Amino acid sequence: NAGVTQTPKFQVLKTGQSMTLQCAQDMNHEYMSWYRQDPGMGLRLIHYSVGAGITDQGEVPNGYNVSRSTTEDFPLRLLSAAPSQTSVYFCASMTSRNTGELFFGEGSRLTVL
Amino acid sequence: AQSVTQPEDQVNVAEGNPLTVKCTYSVSGNPYLFWYVQYPNRGLQFLLKYITGDNLVKGSYGFEAEFNKSQTSFHLKKPSALVSDSALYFCAVRDPWGGSYIPTFGRGTSLIVHP
Repeated sequence: NAGVTQTPKFQVLKTGQSMTLQCAQDMNHEYMSWYRQDPGMGLRLIHYSVGAGITDQGEVPNGYNVSRSTTEDFPLRLLSAAPSQTSVYFCASMTSRNTGELFFGEGSRLTVL
Repeated sequence: AQSVTQPEDQVNVAEGNPLTVKCTYSVSGNPYLFWYVQYPNRGLQFLLKYITGDNLVKGSYGFEAEFNKSQTSFHLKKPSALVSDSALYFCAVRDPWGGSYIPTFGRGTSLIVHP
C-alpha cells in the first residue's frame, strides 16, 4: 500500500525555471492538498482540491498552479521559480469524511538558486 | 475562523520522565483535533485525534491527549519519554460545523528527549 507518493524528493532550479512536483495517492481520497514547510513558519497551505476538477487556493497560492484531472493525481506547478520558493513541499490527502486525518507524502525538497 | 497555538517552540525532557506538549485552539463550533509527528527528513504521521466522546484519547507509540473544552486545550502527553520520541509535533484543528473542511496547523513544537 503506497499511500501518498511524491516525486522528485530533491530538486535544484535556477530562478525563472519551471517545474512540476508530482503527487499521487492510491487510497481513493477525495481531498488532496499541498503545503510548504519553512523553518519557524510551520505548515502553510498552498492549494487544495476536494475532488477531480475542483481546486481552490490556500494561504500562500501565489507563484503556484495546480490541476486535478483524476482522483489519484494532484501536481503542483511552479511556472517561474523564485528563491522565495525554496522550501520543503508536502502533499497530503484525506477522505471526505469529516473525521478523517491527513496522510502525508515524504516531501520534496526544492532549492531555487 | 479557526486557529491553533502551540506556545512552546521546544520542549526538553529527560528519558523516562513524563512529557507534555501544549496545544490550544480557537473555533466557532465543536472542534476536531489532531496530533501529528514529524521525524527528521520525513513527512508528517498521524498520532491521534479527538472527534467526540471520552476526553482522553489514546494514540500511537504510547501517546495520549486530553481534550479540555473549558480551557480550549488539547495537550499531548506520554507517561515515560523515550529518546526515540524526539521529533517535531504538530497540533491541528478542523471546525466542520463552522464551515471549514480544511485543517489548520500549529507552528510545531520540537521535542528533545535527553538520555
